[in-house]
Amino acid sequence: GQSLEQPSEVTAVEGAIVQINCTYQTSGFYGLSWYQQHDGGAPTFLSYNALDGLEETGRFSSFLSRSDSYGYLLLQELQMKDSASYFCAVREGGNTGKLIFGQGTTLQVKP
Amino acid sequence: NAGVTQTPKFRVLKTGQSMTLLCAQDMNHEYMYWYRQDPGMGLRLIHYSVGEGTTAKGEVPDGYNVSRLKKQNFLLGLESAAPSQTSVYFCASREESNQPQHFGDGTRLSIL
Repeated sequence: GQSLEQPSEVTAVEGAIVQINCTYQTSGFYGLSWYQQHDGGAPTFLSYNALDGLEETGRFSSFLSRSDSYGYLLLQELQMKDSASYFCAVREGGNTGKLIFGQGTTLQVKP
Repeated sequence: NAGVTQTPKFRVLKTGQSMTLLCAQDMNHEYMYWYRQDPGMGLRLIHYSVGEGTTAKGEVPDGYNVSRLKKQNFLLGLESAAPSQTSVYFCASREESNQPQHFGDGTRLSIL
């Protein structure tokens, strides 16, 4: 079957660093994406890893290990506005661009 | 810059009624997708399209139909609504298969 596993909830304090892990088992794999969703609104794209290693975009970084079927999203210098749900998603289809989403991790940032 | 626009934003239906959700994108994207999101869950793909005139089934296609007659529009139809279809529906589009998906604000649908 196809599955993505990520923690359901994470809590951290403002200014801290938090890591959200994602393990996956899918029939196809062309890359791992991360999306952010505030209060049930439109998900927005954060990062994408097609190859092993670390991708950095400002305060956010994403890592992928294809041999371990594992990735993570690292959020540094947490701000209150980072409180949101974070979804990992595997790009399963090469030509279709289909994404399989995890169930999401709710991050709560406390003062 | 409208991006991806979904119509309507909210709707309440009675069991057995039919309706069509509209998704319009102004970015000339080839690929379009319809998802549903239920409480505490990720997005599940209903149907998708890789170009004008094409459609294909996703993970949870039963009870839904779609059409992509024009490149900018992707319609999702419920022929006979059921309470199990109460959900938030998101539409997304992307330029190429390896590019990020751009999402609309969602349609909140309740079926009584």
